[in-house]
Amino acid sequence: AQSVSQHNHHVILSEAASLELGCNYSYGGTVNLFWYVQYPGQHLQLLLKYFSGDPLVKGIKGFEAEFIKSKFSFNLRKPSVQWSDTAEYFCAVTLDTGGFKTIFGAGTRLFVKA
Amino acid sequence: GAGVSQSPSNKVTEKGKDVELRCDPISGHTALYWYRQRLGQGLEFLIYFQGNSAPDKSGLPSDRFSAERTGESVSTLTIQRTQQEDSAVYLCASSLDVGGADEQFFGPGTRLTVL
Repeated sequence: AQSVSQHNHHVILSEAASLELGCNYSYGGTVNLFWYVQYPGQHLQLLLKYFSGDPLVKGIKGFEAEFIKSKFSFNLRKPSVQWSDTAEYFCAVTLDTGGFKTIFGAGTRLFVKA
Repeated sequence: GAGVSQSPSNKVTEKGKDVELRCDPISGHTALYWYRQRLGQGLEFLIYFQGNSAPDKSGLPSDRFSAERTGESVSTLTIQRTQQEDSAVYLCASSLDVGGADEQFFGPGTRLTVL
């Protein structure tokens, strides 16, 4: 079955620490990959996406992610987190199965200590 | 409108009652999606619309769930004979087109509580 796995459910970091959130998917066909973020009290919003070209994509607020096709992974990174990065992060994959279906991971709650 | 809106924001109902949840997508967005998020879990895909048709209904949990979209605009998600396990936040999103690469814009959700 198609699925998206996020390895960490809760992450606690101090400001200026580096961040890497893992995301793996299981699907052998064409995919488009996304990271969404939900800040406290706000709607889900797009952080970055990959659909073709350079597998290293840059998003808002200094985030980046790398698509490694051979590992079915799309890990999110940020060199130096800030308190304002405290949020829940969701990895999502859109599958081309004849129609389009988006599967989300369970999310990772990040708490950054000031 | 400026963004995706959903109503009601909160709904408390008794087990066995029917509920109807509404989503108003961003004007001009062809694609519309419904998701369910149970407490502490990720988003569970329910259904998506391309225009007024729903090519993929595979995520609907049971035949108690149905959805429709009219005028390539507003969509309603109906849950008949609600059960306690239906308690969740129901999220709606829209995107410019269905092609897999478009950003989805999310609404604030409807929090459904079934007593």
